[in-house]
Amino acid sequence: NAGVTQTPKFQVLKTGQSMTLQCAQDMNHNSMYWYRQDPGMGLRLIYYSASEGTTDKGEVPNGYNVSRLNKREFSLRLESAAPSQTSVYFCASSSIRTGRDGYTFGSGTRLTVV
Amino acid sequence: LAKTTQPISMDSYEGQEVNITCSHNNIATNDYITWYQQFPSQGPRFIIQGYKTKVTNEVASLFIPADRKSSTLSLPRVSLSDTAVYYCLVGRLSGAGSYQLTFGKGTKLSVIP
Repeated sequence: NAGVTQTPKFQVLKTGQSMTLQCAQDMNHNSMYWYRQDPGMGLRLIYYSASEGTTDKGEVPNGYNVSRLNKREFSLRLESAAPSQTSVYFCASSSIRTGRDGYTFGSGTRLTVV
Repeated sequence: LAKTTQPISMDSYEGQEVNITCSHNNIATNDYITWYQQFPSQGPRFIIQGYKTKVTNEVASLFIPADRKSSTLSLPRVSLSDTAVYYCLVGRLSGAGSYQLTFGKGTKLSVIP
């Protein structure tokens, strides 16, 4: 039972390059999320998808785009990477409606933009 | 989304009970209180969730007073492996049907041998 799988685990980009972070969950969850975590900080919500076919901005969406490819997969794209986007990115999913089972997080993608 | 305030850090000796208190003065009627644990280089892990009074599971207890403006996570007999950052979150079902959570900086718990 894999839970939430993120790829890649590590990535180094040059300023201006683009890349897509992949996330897949096998728990049949409706909602999926992308967070970023900077050193010594809590997690900040970038985008979320309440259900397949819908996406909405979170607290820090600038510089990112997302795609809810199907119920299992939710990808995060950086079109033109900037050093300020150096961070650890976490994908999460939650069960329907109340989310009372909490979020399940992936193990993260550590991104460095030079 | 309700703002939470919790201590930045706490130290405890192995075997002691640890209580981490979180204040959330502007909690709304539909909000649930959730606690997560995060180890270095890992994603947060759900610990416990509650709405009011007391909730207990195999890992922790959560105490919520009647006014719900604060909550206390209780970890019984901590061990070195409980050294982690603990986040208190308050969230509700959004209009879009998802459950949004806002993470603060959390409480860094250090367990001392």
